Amino acid sequence: EAQVTQNPRYLITVTGKKLTVTCSQNMNHEYMSWYRQDPGLGLRQIYYSMNVEVTDKGDVPEGYKVSRKEKRNFPLILESPSPNQTSLYFCASSLSTNEKLFFGSGTQLSVL
Amino acid sequence: SQQGEEDPQALSIQEGENATMNCSYKTSINNLQWYRQNSGRGLVHLILIRSNEREKHSGRLRVTLDTSKKSSSLLITASRAADTASYFCATDARGKLIFGQGTELSVKP
Repeated sequence: EAQVTQNPRYLITVTGKKLTVTCSQNMNHEYMSWYRQDPGLGLRQIYYSMNVEVTDKGDVPEGYKVSRKEKRNFPLILESPSPNQTSLYFCASSLSTNEKLFFGSGTQLSVL
Repeated sequence: SQQGEEDPQALSIQEGENATMNCSYKTSINNLQWYRQNSGRGLVHLILIRSNEREKHSGRLRVTLDTSKKSSSLLITASRAADTASYFCATDARGKLIFGQGTELSVKP
């Protein structure tokens, strides 16, 4: 089944404790992206990747890192999480920005 | 900064009525997409309209695109309670897909 798999679904952590949210797609998509969703602010793009080893900042990249070592995986890394990074995170992928995005189920992150 | 902005922010209608949502954007685009999100879940793609298209249909959905006005509309005909969700437009800008803040649609039985 074609899908984008995000883990974990829920995560509660404390300030400063490094964490990684994994994202994997099985559709051989070139384009992958991370978004965060906050009430009243819609979805804001954190980072995106057009292909392996190619990543670019979105609108809200501060405090996040990504890597794209393989086509299928695009992990989101928070080196030192802070409470303002409490949010609902989505990973998505597509063949290109000219095609539809497939979304993961989301990761609800709480940073205490 | 947001590329696409939806209007209205919230819409409440009765089952059977039509729902219209609008999206305005700022820069030229290659395509515009509409997505649906049920409470806190991942977004689901509804329809993609390319910049050289003016109208597109998919079941009860009708999307129009006016590139001269930099705007699009999504019409859901004969709405059902199950259409209750948030609807987002997304536009591509310099290689990125950027989402608006969404319209919250509530369809009352």
